[in-house]
Amino acid sequence: IAGITQAPTSQILAAGRRMTLRCTQDMRHNAMYWYRQDLGLGLRLIHYSNTAGTTGKGEVPDGYSVSRANTDDFPLTLASAVPSQTSVYFCASRDTPSSTDTQYFGPGTRLTVL
Amino acid sequence: AQSVTQLGSHVSVSEGALVLLRCNYSSSVPPYLFWYVQYPNQGLQLLLKYTTGATLVKGINGFEAEFKKSETSFHLTKPSAHMSDAAEYFCAVSPSGGSNYKLTFGKGTLLTVNP
Repeated sequence: IAGITQAPTSQILAAGRRMTLRCTQDMRHNAMYWYRQDLGLGLRLIHYSNTAGTTGKGEVPDGYSVSRANTDDFPLTLASAVPSQTSVYFCASRDTPSSTDTQYFGPGTRLTVL
Repeated sequence: AQSVTQLGSHVSVSEGALVLLRCNYSSSVPPYLFWYVQYPNQGLQLLLKYTTGATLVKGINGFEAEFKKSETSFHLTKPSAHMSDAAEYFCAVSPSGGSNYKLTFGKGTLLTVNP
């Protein structure tokens, strides 16, 4: 079982370009999340999806969009990248309803916007 | 609304010494509390969690944490630090129950273990 995979592992992107970060889970979890991690700020929620076909905004959604066409995939798109979106991006999933309430994280994507 | 404060962005201990990482939370409803660990260039891994029941929670790698409602704290401890414990540690809170589940993280504490 792979758990959560993210692609690419890292990327350098010119400002203004469009970029999609991919996230796939094989645990059949209903809920999925995208976070960004910045030094000194911890992890901040960008968008989430409680189940396939639904999405919601997190703490820092501006400049990002998501879709959830099926249970396994939850891509994050930067329509026009800006340098302030330089960060490490983590995808996570959680089984719901669940007695564990544990989120499982992918290995991350390191994105640099120049 | 919920929030997490981790006291100390960087903690340094000697190998074999006690590890104490502090976490205080605020939550308008009874909380679920978590500690995650992040090793360099990796994702986050669950260390331990408190949902209900016993307030002293034991996790992996010899870590434990105690939920103290009166102090709104969930401090992480380990009696004897090992070099392999060097990592960043994140405390997180979520509201218990309900459909509007969101996990709120603290800003993290970097643990350094000196030989």
